[in-house]
Amino acid sequence: ETGVTQSPTHLIKTRGQQVTLRCSSQSGHNTVSWYQQALGQGPQFIFQYYREEENGRGNFPPRFSGLQFPNYSSELNVNALELDDSALYLCASSLEVGFDAGELFFGEGSRLTVL
Amino acid sequence: AQRVTQPEKLLSVFKGAPVELKCNYSYSGSPELFWYVQYSRQRLQLLLRHISRESIKGFTADLNKGETSFHLKKPFAQEEDSAMYYCALSQFSGGYNKLIFGAGTRLAVHP
Repeated sequence: ETGVTQSPTHLIKTRGQQVTLRCSSQSGHNTVSWYQQALGQGPQFIFQYYREEENGRGNFPPRFSGLQFPNYSSELNVNALELDDSALYLCASSLEVGFDAGELFFGEGSRLTVL
Repeated sequence: AQRVTQPEKLLSVFKGAPVELKCNYSYSGSPELFWYVQYSRQRLQLLLRHISRESIKGFTADLNKGETSFHLKKPFAQEEDSAMYYCALSQFSGGYNKLIFGAGTRLAVHP
């Protein structure tokens, strides 16, 4: 069974640039969620994708967007980067929306630094 | 608003001492609560959930709806328990589910 994998592990961008982060979900999982974890904080929900559609979003602006592909892998895109976007971005997959809600399988994260 | 509060950033104990990591929540409805753990250089992973009422690695957590708490306890701490612990509340509404995390408590177990 393959776990959740994310890429890249680290990256540095400058303010105003755009970034794309990638995630491969755990085998058999069709639901992917993205979380932002700022330094010293717990993860904060960005959005969730289910069967290639965004089905829920947290309190993040539209410049945070995503995609889910037919193989259930996912991307997180952030446009017009701001300094406060510096954080660890976590991808988490789950078996099914609503089923066993709360048991998420996390990747190791992509650490984004915005200068 | 739904919220999870972990009042302690750091809990430092000696090996063999009892441990209690505090978690309080606010939620309008029937809560589903979890403890996630992150060991050094490892990914965030589920430790236990209140609905299963299991003991995992000697840890237990009881949901107290009256006090809106879900404290994590272990009678005798081990050095390998040193990690970051996050309490989380699951919210399922509008066709999606999300976890609301606390800020986390770092447990340091000293020999």
